[in-house]
Parts: sequence; structure tokens; C-alpha cells
Amino acid sequence: GAVVSQHPSRVICKSGTSVKIECRSLDFQATTMFWYRQFPKQSLMLMATSNEGSKATYEQGVEKDKFLINHASLTLSTLTVTSAHPEDSSFYICSARDDKGQLNTYEQFFGPGTRLTVL
Amino acid sequence: QKEVEQNSGPLSVPEGAIASLNCTYSDRGSQSFFWYRQYSGKSPELIMSIYSNGDKEDGRFTAQLNKASQYVSLLIRDSQPSDSATYLCAVGDSNYQLIWGAGTKLIIKP
Repeated sequence: GAVVSQHPSRVICKSGTSVKIECRSLDFQATTMFWYRQFPKQSLMLMATSNEGSKATYEQGVEKDKFLINHASLTLSTLTVTSAHPEDSSFYICSARDDKGQLNTYEQFFGPGTRLTVL
Repeated sequence: QKEVEQNSGPLSVPEGAIASLNCTYSDRGSQSFFWYRQYSGKSPELIMSIYSNGDKEDGRFTAQLNKASQYVSLLIRDSQPSDSATYLCAVGDSNYQLIWGAGTKLIIKP
């Protein structure tokens, strides 16, 4: 149980294009999902918290107009990197919290990640 | 500012020995503690969670929690080369978010 998928696993795009990344919880409902970014040899950095049916909460310094998050259902959240530039190249990882029917849980299960390269 | 501190390492341990990873946290009200393993180029994987003071064992892994001293540790017995990875400590805050340590890189030498 507690499987999270992420698609695509790898994407290469030209500067100025937009890229959409999907995160799905396959066998559980996730009211809350998280989006992280990780640069090589650095630690995880939380970008935003995605809540089903409401606006995402962005961490300080993360541009909400550049990183669009939509959590349209209890099993799907999407991250769109708009007008991507080479400095956006990174490893993007989503995680989902298994609600188990209640919100006071902490355990997060991670998707396999998406490696974005912007040329 | 809530913080989770880990020694970045690398921590080098001979194969078959016990690897000991430590983590300290600043928020005395924290109630939930997690260890994740991350292989290079991969996403983190949850390996242990602990909520009460004392030890929790799962196979070769033992998590230890001491809330009075605000530290949590992970012991890996009979270390294998496949245990070589970065180990991330995460602590739950009052908003049910996880505060992450920067991770300790563990190297198991054959």
C-alpha cells in the first residue's frame, strides 16, 4: 500500500516552455500532497503544500505564478512549471499524506520524482 | 525557527558493523519522528517512524527516541553495502508538516 506515482519521470524542454508534472496516490486518498525540489547534493526543499479543493500554500521565496499547483481530486495533484528557464532544472518530487480518514497524520509517501532539464 | 540537525557525514562503516545515525530537533512539542532513506538520484523512502520514548525495532533497523534530550537516532545492524544512502530525519510539527534534516550520507565499506 501507500504507492505514489509521478509522471513524467524525466523531461527535457526548451527555455520558455511550460511543463506539467502529475502526482497520483494509487491506493489511498490524499487530501494533502507536497511538492519538493532537490538540487544535486542538496537537501529536500519544500516548495508548496497542496490541499484538495483549495489553493496551495507556498513556502517563502517560491513564486506561485511560476509554479502552478492544482489539486483537483483526492488522488491527483499537478505542478506546472511555467516559462521554464535553465535555473529551474532540478529534481521535483511529490509526496502524499495518507489521510486514513483523518487529518492528524504525518507520514508522507513519496513519488519517484521528475528530473527536469531546461535547455 | 524549528530546526532538525543532522551530521552531513559521510559516515563510513565497515560491512557487518552497526551504523549509528543521529538527529536533534529544536521543537520540544514534537510528537512524531521519521527516518527516510534516499539513494542517489531517487526519491526518499520511509523506513521507520517512532512516536514514543524508547526503542522501536524493525528487522535490522532500530529507532531510538529521547524526547527529554530532543534527539532521535537510527541504528542499522549488520550493515550491508546496499545500506549506503543518505538518511533523512524528519520531525512532525503542530501543523502536521514535516521539518526535514539535511541528511547524513552513509557509506558501507565491503
